Amino acid sequence: DAGVTQSPTHLIKTRGQQVTLRCSPISGHKSVSWYQQVLGQGPQFIFQYYEKEERGRGNFPDRFSARQFPNYSSELNVNALLLGDSALYLCASSLGSQVSGNTIYFGEGSWLTVV
Amino acid sequence: QKEVEQNSGPLSVPEGAIASLNCTYSDRGSQSFFWYRQYSGKSPELIMFIYSNGDKEDGRFTAQLNKASQYVSLLIRDSQPSDSATYLCAVNWGNTPLVFGKGTRLSVIA
Repeated sequence: DAGVTQSPTHLIKTRGQQVTLRCSPISGHKSVSWYQQVLGQGPQFIFQYYEKEERGRGNFPDRFSARQFPNYSSELNVNALLLGDSALYLCASSLGSQVSGNTIYFGEGSWLTVV
Repeated sequence: QKEVEQNSGPLSVPEGAIASLNCTYSDRGSQSFFWYRQYSGKSPELIMFIYSNGDKEDGRFTAQLNKASQYVSLLIRDSQPSDSATYLCAVNWGNTPLVFGKGTRLSVIA
């Protein structure tokens, strides 16, 4: 069975541009969460979507947005990129709405570099 | 503000020794505690979780929880060079999303 898949794996963007990151959850999983991990820091929660509805939002500016599609895949959009947005973006899926550490499964992440 | 604190290291231990990694957290309440291992350039991998006070052992790993003192630790026995990684402590308060510490970088010297 495929795990959580994320694309692209690596990308480079210029300040001010916009980026879209994609995540496909494990088959049957209905919840997707997004985390940002800046170099040298732990992952920080951005969004959770369950059954296509936003269930949680972390302390991130409105430049960050996300959505979940009927097939439960998800996109994370970041507008007006700043150098500080350079990070590993992790997607995690879970079967239900629970976001406990032993119920979520991380993808390999998307490395975003803003220059 | 719910916070999780870890010493960023690096923690260097010789091969075969016990590595001890510590984590403290704010805000008492209903929590679950998780230890993740993250190799450079990879995503976090769950290695242990603990809910109740005391020790929980899994192979060479032991998680220890002391809720009164608000700390959780991870012991790695017989440390191997392949254990060299960053170890992330994470906490769920109820069904809130995981709050991670900054991670402790462990280096096992052969």
